[in-house]
Amino acid sequence: SAVISQKPSRDICQRGTSLTIQCQVDSQVTMMFWYRQQPGQSLTLIATANQGSEATYESGFVIDKFPISRPNLTFSTLTVSNMSPEDSSIYLCSVEPTGSYGYTFGSGTRLTVV
Amino acid sequence: KNQVEQSPQSLIILEGKNCTLQCNYTVSPFSNLRWYKQDTGRGPVSLTIMTFSENTKSNGRYTATLDADTKQSSLHITASQLSDSASYICVVSRYNSGTYKYIFGTGTRLKVLA
Repeated sequence: SAVISQKPSRDICQRGTSLTIQCQVDSQVTMMFWYRQQPGQSLTLIATANQGSEATYESGFVIDKFPISRPNLTFSTLTVSNMSPEDSSIYLCSVEPTGSYGYTFGSGTRLTVV
Repeated sequence: KNQVEQSPQSLIILEGKNCTLQCNYTVSPFSNLRWYKQDTGRGPVSLTIMTFSENTKSNGRYTATLDADTKQSSLHITASQLSDSASYICVVSRYNSGTYKYIFGTGTRLKVLA
């Protein structure tokens, strides 16, 4: 299965600032997915990122708040913009390479906004 | 409504004991069901993936079952170890109009005590 390197692993940020999270995959994948996991909650899909096109956002998430880049088939970034304490969560990227075990997730970015 | 419900919400067992986690879903049309293990502060790691026609699948000490008629799945952990302490997440995918959607359960938090 694919190996995903996600960074930073954690950060503490001031409200009103922005943080960019990076995900690097060791193989080419068509789609990359960005998730948010709020404390004690399950994962919620933010958006799906295809190379060479605009990301597709789920209901409740907008591009101005969570801009995504996908410059090639192995890399993507998610930016959390104009952060507030409500954005404190774990953010995860994932891919679905060919194979029998489905999604592979990055190790996550634990974001705390103060 | 497409939902995935897991029980119990949390569970504490002694090392060496067995346990079974439950997942009930109302997702339609059903594509497959996956169980993930998520260590605290880490991304989920896939344990098993089961399609409609599969009843049982094992991965070491983890055995997943699927009853597509009753829309229930279970994850059985045999001879638990301290390292099994984690959240276990059931994810059901549905295929509709050419796209897959993944519905995440809220997870069962397992604590294994020495």
